[in-house]
Amino acid sequence: AQSVAQPEDQVNVAEGNPLTVKCTYSVSGNPYLFWYVQYPNRGLQFLLKYITGDNLVKGSYGFEAEFNKSQTSFHLKKPSALVSDSALYFCAVRDTGGFKTIFGAGTRLFVKA
Amino acid sequence: DARVTQTPRHKVTEMGQEVTMRCQPILGHNTVFWYRQTMMQGLELLAYFRNRAPLDDSGMPKDRFSAEMPDATLATLKIQPSEPRDSAVYFCASGKEGYYNEQFFGPGTRLTVL
Repeated sequence: AQSVAQPEDQVNVAEGNPLTVKCTYSVSGNPYLFWYVQYPNRGLQFLLKYITGDNLVKGSYGFEAEFNKSQTSFHLKKPSALVSDSALYFCAVRDTGGFKTIFGAGTRLFVKA
Repeated sequence: DARVTQTPRHKVTEMGQEVTMRCQPILGHNTVFWYRQTMMQGLELLAYFRNRAPLDDSGMPKDRFSAEMPDATLATLKIQPSEPRDSAVYFCASGKEGYYNEQFFGPGTRLTVL
């Protein structure tokens, strides 16, 4: 069965510093991986996805994610954090056996000015 | 700018009352999902539909929850009778069929059952 793990409940980073939000996955076939962001009192919003091809995927708001097959990881990154990046981030994997998306528990990112 | 809409945005009700939440998926999307989010359980999948047909509702308490798609522009989630433990934010999401397609989430319905 597909699964994702986000090992950090919370990540703290200073504005202007690079940020990384970690995600590892377990799939039985080809991985289809996603990152979503949730701002307070809002629904989840798609950031980026890995389907195939380049291991570095670029997405919205300057975010990117690095797919690493050997480490089964799909970490979210940004070179320079903004205070407005503070939100809840979800890693997700598509269930290739059906139509479900399996979401991680979420990582709360705090960016301090 | 196409968006998933949900009504109501907030609902406060008393235990035992019926609650109906509505969702309008994005036109052209043929999959619809209902999720529940709480601090304790995180994001839980309750039900999902493909081409208006329910594919899986194993995440729902069957005795009190029901989900339907009367037509392609409307999905409903009903709770009858509601209980305090149902208090949560309920999200609807829609998407195009396909493993590589992302989901588009609505703003959610915040339900409080007293």
